[in-house]
Amino acid sequence: ETGVTQSPTHLIKTRGQQVTLRCSSQSGHNTVSWYQQALGQGPQFIFQYYREEENGRGNFPPRFSGLQFPNYSSELNVNALELDDSALYLCASSLGGVGDPPFFGQGTRLTVV
Amino acid sequence: SQQGEEDPQALSIQEGENATMNCSYKTSINNLQWYRQNSGRGLVHLILIRSNEREKHSGRLRVTLDTSKKSSSLLITASRAADTASYFCATGDLSGSEKLVFGKGTKLTVNP
Repeated sequence: ETGVTQSPTHLIKTRGQQVTLRCSSQSGHNTVSWYQQALGQGPQFIFQYYREEENGRGNFPPRFSGLQFPNYSSELNVNALELDDSALYLCASSLGGVGDPPFFGQGTRLTVV
Repeated sequence: SQQGEEDPQALSIQEGENATMNCSYKTSINNLQWYRQNSGRGLVHLILIRSNEREKHSGRLRVTLDTSKKSSSLLITASRAADTASYFCATGDLSGSEKLVFGKGTKLTVNP
């Protein structure tokens, strides 16, 4: 148990729809990152939030957006879903120090049909 | 894009044997971390080695880092069936951000 909880566990959406994935971080962890992991691949960094501000972004289009809340929860929103968005989405939280390993949640498996 | 490349992509061994996985990366790093993932679920942090360290141990795990060759290895000694999982290396860059760049992973199967 890492203390990082993601919901829902599984989700099926139709192409063109919008989706919101949620993450509850460990208390005190002011940094949260989101990763996308396609089948058979390693996780790819989407973006990171620090104290409710975006603090780094990977090579993902603007239809991927996020929010971080003062209560250590966060959201990943994806608009205009595409079939290639089907993946495991992982949330990771940490204390924010360089080299502090993040704690990952169990992920949300998103299937776009 | 992937930074690290794990080698081999898949490894099958017998219980009790040692398993060695390698990782190569492309850019300068602040640290390198190894993670384990069971059946496509969450990642479990195993060990972190900083760029000024050459070797680190944790239980049955031994990690080496060669920054001149931009490579790392993870050794699991006396493997158990429960070690069956995918193993990923991830690098942290010099910017101070916590963005991790993962490789594609090595799928380890330990046969009882």
